[in-house]
Amino acid sequence: AQSVAQPEDQVNVAEGNPLTVKCTYSVSGNPYLFWYVQYPNRGLQFLLKYITGDNLVKGSYGFEAEFNKSQTSFHLKKQSALVSDSALYFCAVRAYGNNRLAFGKGNQVVVIP
Amino acid sequence: KAGVTQTPRYLIKTRGQQVTLSCSPISGHRSVSWYQQTPGQGLQFLFEYFSETQRNKGNFPGRFSGRQFSNSRSEMNVSTLELGDSALYLCASSNWTSGYEQYFGPGTRLTVT
Repeated sequence: AQSVAQPEDQVNVAEGNPLTVKCTYSVSGNPYLFWYVQYPNRGLQFLLKYITGDNLVKGSYGFEAEFNKSQTSFHLKKQSALVSDSALYFCAVRAYGNNRLAFGKGNQVVVIP
Repeated sequence: KAGVTQTPRYLIKTRGQQVTLSCSPISGHRSVSWYQQTPGQGLQFLFEYFSETQRNKGNFPGRFSGRQFSNSRSEMNVSTLELGDSALYLCASSNWTSGYEQYFGPGTRLTVT
C-alpha cells in the first residue's frame, strides 16, 4: 500500500524567504508524486508532479519539487514566499497503473508579512 | 475549459437519511475519483470510476456507493447517514493523456445532524 508522511503540521516563514515543505513516501514500484494546495473552503489545486525524468520538477506559481529516490522524498520548495502562498499543502503518491492517490496529512503554511 | 463541478456545494442531512452527490468531470476526462476529507482522518480515497466501471475502491463501508454515466458524470450515494459522515467530499477527474494528475472540484460540504 502507498503512503505519504508530511512530518510538520505547520511551516512558518517570513515573506521573501525560501519556503520548504517536506514529504516522504512509500510505494511499490516507481512512484507517481504530486503536490496540491488547498485554500479555505476550496478544493485541491494541482501544483506539480513527478512521473519520470529530471529529479527537479517545476510547477505553478514559482513552486518546484525535488525527487530523491534514495531518500524516498519529494520536498516542495519556493525561493521567495508570498503572503498569498499561505494555505494547506498536500503531498500525494500513487503507484503505476493505479489512479488511487494516497495523501499526507497536509502542512499549513503561514507566510508572515 | 470548464473545471470539475460538484453539486450541491453544501448539504445538511439528518442521521439515517441518505444523500446523493453529483460530479461533472472536465470535458474529455473519463476517470472520476471520490475522496472524503475530514479534520481527523485527512483525505481518504473512496472509489474510482472509469468508463462506467468501478476500478478501485477504498476502505469504506457498503453504505458508500457510486456510479458513472456514459457521459462520465458521476454520483456518489451515502445511505443511512451517520454523524461521522460529516465531511468535505471531493471529486477529481483525470485523463490518461493529461499526464495522470487529477483535477479536483470545489467539493460538497455534508453536515449530518
